[in-house]
Amino acid sequence: DAGITQSPRYKITETGRQVTLMCHQTWSHSYMFWYRQDLGHGLRLIYYSAAADITDKGEVPDGYVVSRSKTENFPLTLESATRSQTSVYFCASSSGTGNNSPLHFGNGTRLTVT
Amino acid sequence: TQLLEQSPQFLSIQEGENLTVYCNSSSVFSSLQWYRQEPGEGPVLLVTVVTGGEVKKLKRLTFQFGDARKDSSLHITAAQPGDTGLYLCADRRYQKVTFGTGTKLQVIP
Repeated sequence: DAGITQSPRYKITETGRQVTLMCHQTWSHSYMFWYRQDLGHGLRLIYYSAAADITDKGEVPDGYVVSRSKTENFPLTLESATRSQTSVYFCASSSGTGNNSPLHFGNGTRLTVT
Repeated sequence: TQLLEQSPQFLSIQEGENLTVYCNSSSVFSSLQWYRQEPGEGPVLLVTVVTGGEVKKLKRLTFQFGDARKDSSLHITAAQPGDTGLYLCADRRYQKVTFGTGTKLQVIP
């Protein structure tokens, strides 16, 4: 199906484990983003990517790693999960950076770190 | 770091009532956007406003951008249960989009 999909939808992991959240988009959008959403903090940018093999840090990048070997995929890896990384993670994509290029979001991954 | 504050944080109203939610920025907006997020889904763009003083209407939703481009309001006329959700303002600066903390709206039938 066309659009942006995230997997898994729900994930429970233990402190210290590595976990990867997947994001796939079918529009061939250049820009992709990872946000986390927490009560009281809203949506905070973790990492973004302007194209394949080009990534940059956002507001809260510590503890996260991203890669973008293909335009359509933008996985987010928590190298050693901590309880503070319990959150809902949203991936988004955009065709450009102008006003007419809105962010298109996936439906999120709810991650719980025990 | 830009801060976007939204008020109120929560709002519960009866169907048919009118309401206004607000967004204030610590710095001038580059490009103001409003998104709505329904439970279990990602945010969806409602509108983008760029010019200070601009007013945009989307059916029963009216978006107003302050003259100084540091604040905005969203007014909903005759709210319906389908309006329930989290309303987020955002500032789009090229590849970076900064979001406010949101107003959670519940419209009771």
